[in-house]
Amino acid sequence: EAGVAQSPRYKIIEKRQSVAFWCNPISGHATLYWYQQILGQGPKLLIQFQNNGVVDDSQLPKDRFSAERLKGVDSTLKIQPAKLEDSAVYLCASRKLAGAPGETQYFGPGTRLLVL
Amino acid sequence: GEDVEQSLFLSVREGDSSVINCTYTDSSSTYLYWYKQEPGAGLQLLTYIFSNMDMKQDQRLTVLLNKKDKHLSLRIADTQTGDSAIYFCAEKGGLTGGGNKLTFGTGTQQKVEL
Repeated sequence: EAGVAQSPRYKIIEKRQSVAFWCNPISGHATLYWYQQILGQGPKLLIQFQNNGVVDDSQLPKDRFSAERLKGVDSTLKIQPAKLEDSAVYLCASRKLAGAPGETQYFGPGTRLLVL
Repeated sequence: GEDVEQSLFLSVREGDSSVINCTYTDSSSTYLYWYKQEPGAGLQLLTYIFSNMDMKQDQRLTVLLNKKDKHLSLRIADTQTGDSAIYFCAEKGGLTGGGNKLTFGTGTQQKVEL
């Protein structure tokens, strides 16, 4: 079974530029998450989708961050414009809709963003 | 909101046991998890425990949960160099704690030395 795929793996941009990240979850996983992991901290949930609907985006800075999952499969996360403090690893994770608790979330390798 | 705390670093000699500790604040937590993160990789689920259990053993891993003190620990027996990584504790809130949302700790960096 293929894992969660993310691209690009690394991105360097200047502040005020825009950037987009892409995630392809495990096949059949209805729930998709985007996390932000700042160096030295644990992952922080930005947004959770169930199919193509948003379940939780309470911690997403909506003035600059947006995310979509139009067909309920792949997802993109966009930052526009980027700030220095957005430098972090952006992790995508997916989960079966009604999986057992041990299913929990499967994580992709992440996209490492550096804003200069 | 929910808070999960861990010590930052841990060093252990190969072959010894290590214990990684975690404290959390959400009294309505339903499940607690341990994840491992190796350099440049995503998080890998190691094990989890239901909040009405106090111990779970899985090969070299032993999870202890003290619900009264909101304290979780992960013991790794016979540590190997491949156990060098960052370990994250995470809790899944109950109905009053954000539903299915996972709250992660700050991570403990474990180094296994020869």
